[in-house]
Amino acid sequence: AQSVTQLDSHVSVSEGTPVLLRCNYSSSYSPSLFWYVQHPNKGLQLLLKYTSAATLVKGINGFEAEFKKSETSFHLTKPSAHMSDAAEYFCVVSEERGYQKVTFGTGTKLQVIP
Amino acid sequence: DAGVTQSPTHLIKTRGQHVTLRCSPISGHKSVSWYQQVLGQGPQFIFQYYEKEERGRGNFPDRFSARQFPNYSSELNVNALLLGDSALYLCASSLVLAGNYEQYFGPGTRLTVT
Repeated sequence: AQSVTQLDSHVSVSEGTPVLLRCNYSSSYSPSLFWYVQHPNKGLQLLLKYTSAATLVKGINGFEAEFKKSETSFHLTKPSAHMSDAAEYFCVVSEERGYQKVTFGTGTKLQVIP
Repeated sequence: DAGVTQSPTHLIKTRGQHVTLRCSPISGHKSVSWYQQVLGQGPQFIFQYYEKEERGRGNFPDRFSARQFPNYSSELNVNALLLGDSALYLCASSLVLAGNYEQYFGPGTRLTVT
């Protein structure tokens, strides 16, 4: 069965401090994993994706994520938070089933305190 | 290049009515997927279309239907609207049907059912 668990619904960090958004997944196949960001009243934007190449994936705006198969995790990190990072973040698992079977996590709302 | 476009932006309907939402994919993209995002939750997969055929369907009732046109644009139709259908409906396009290709999302159509 395919599922995604985002372990924190809200994360609050001070500007300039590290960000960690946690994601665990379950998949019967070799999945692709993605992180998307959604700013208020805007569409979803792809931050990064893992597709069975390097386990450490670098994305846009200084974000990166590490795929750990043994822990079934794909946590998103950033060394230093910026005010513009405040948004909702979604971890996504995708399996090829003759179509792209996609499951989103429930989201983590990131608050950045000045 | 234009991104994924959706129309209308907002829509208010009454219970029992029918609604049609429209999506134009990125030029060259042949696959369109539809998602429902209820407030406070992650998007849920409704359909994926490729080359005018339904290739994947999520756990939604038959009141939901869609189609894809020769120019790869798509419509989502919902009949007999319920209050619970109030949500942001997102359209996403990708180059191909499956594999490790990311999906590009439109800004969504906000549907309110009263």
